[in-house]
Amino acid sequence: SAVISQKPSRDICQRGTSLTIQCQVDSQVTMMFWYRQQPGQSLTLIATANQGSEATYESGFVIDKFPISRPNLTFSTLTVSNMSPEDSSIYLCSARGVENSGELFFGEGSRLTVL
Amino acid sequence: ELKVEQNPLFLSMQEGKNYTIYCNYSTTSDRLYWYRQDPGKSLESLFVLLSNGAVKQEGRLMASLDTKARLSTLHITAAVHDLSATYFCAVLWRNQFYFGTGTSLTVIP
Repeated sequence: SAVISQKPSRDICQRGTSLTIQCQVDSQVTMMFWYRQQPGQSLTLIATANQGSEATYESGFVIDKFPISRPNLTFSTLTVSNMSPEDSSIYLCSARGVENSGELFFGEGSRLTVL
Repeated sequence: ELKVEQNPLFLSMQEGKNYTIYCNYSTTSDRLYWYRQDPGKSLESLFVLLSNGAVKQEGRLMASLDTKARLSTLHITAAVHDLSATYFCAVLWRNQFYFGTGTSLTVIP
């Protein structure tokens, strides 16, 4: 299994600022994803982080708002830009293992509150 | 787009009772995953089901997969308070994971 370290674990941000979340995996993985989870809700996929190229965004999410990098196989960042209170949420980094099961592992999440 | 529905959304059950959570999905897939999430925590993998008829058991939880019916079940046997959490199923389709709506389980003493 993969262990995913994500930071910051939580932050309180001012409207209009940007915050970058970092995600580090301790072993080889195939795909990396970023999800958002509103309180009491399910997970919504923001994008697939592609190594060395632009991320693949889901409908409703754009690169200007959520720029993502993945410079190597085990590290990725998500930036939430020009934040508004509507961006207050938990952001989860995840990675798919190389085993046949293709299991998806999750970081601890970053809880952002925008004032 | 693939839809994944769970029911019930909320479940309150007494300790010692049995219950089943259902996960229905709208397209063909033979890979289904179950996760547990405690309040304020991330998701923890419970079961990986990789083929039709797969059955996995761990403690008081048992998961099964019927790909023809596009249905997975998570059965709880003799519930205990420690099982209180939110449970998600997720379907792998076209290299993406689609999560169910979640089932919030509360086990009452």
